[in-house]
Amino acid sequence: AQSVAQPEDQVNVAEGNPLTVKCTYSVSGNPYLFWYVQYPNRGLQFLLKYITGDNLVKGSYGFEAEFNKSQTSFHLKKPSALVSDSALYFCAVRPSGGGADGLTFGKGTHLIIQP
Amino acid sequence: KAGVTQTPRYLIKTRGQQVTLSCSPISGHRSVSWYQQTPGQGLQFLFEYFSETQRNKGNFPGRFSGRQFSNSRSEMNVSTLELGDSALYLCASSLETGGDTQYFGPGTRLTVL
Repeated sequence: AQSVAQPEDQVNVAEGNPLTVKCTYSVSGNPYLFWYVQYPNRGLQFLLKYITGDNLVKGSYGFEAEFNKSQTSFHLKKPSALVSDSALYFCAVRPSGGGADGLTFGKGTHLIIQP
Repeated sequence: KAGVTQTPRYLIKTRGQQVTLSCSPISGHRSVSWYQQTPGQGLQFLFEYFSETQRNKGNFPGRFSGRQFSNSRSEMNVSTLELGDSALYLCASSLETGGDTQYFGPGTRLTVL
């Protein structure tokens, strides 16, 4: 079975500074990897995904993520944080070879951007 | 294009009752997945439907069931509700399965008293 680890419950960053939200995964075979963001009392909004190809993936709102197969990581990054980026971020994985599961999510990381 | 819609948005039930939640996917999407979100367990996969067939199922008891209709709309049903079923139930739709992006609805907040 697959799993996702988001080692930080909370990340604090000053506005204008770069941010990184960490994600490592475990899956049989090659992964499909996703990042979602959730605002209070809302559903999940898709940010970006890695399917195959270029290891650096660019997504919505200036976010990007780098797929590192040897480290089984898919960290989310943004060069300059905005206060409006404050939210709950989820990393998710699914095996590309199919299987009995849907998306497997990490526990989530609260990102707090301080003015 | 309209997003994923879920009805009702809020629901209060008592233990032992049953409940049905509804999900309308984005137009043209044929796959619908359901997830349960709780503070303790986080986001957990319930099941996935594609072209009216259940493709995958998560590790939930048989009290949790679902179906998909020919227009891709989906319902999930929980029978004999327990206090622990209180959660945000999220529906997501995608064009097909596999690596296709799942787009989520706003969720149904179920409270079991």
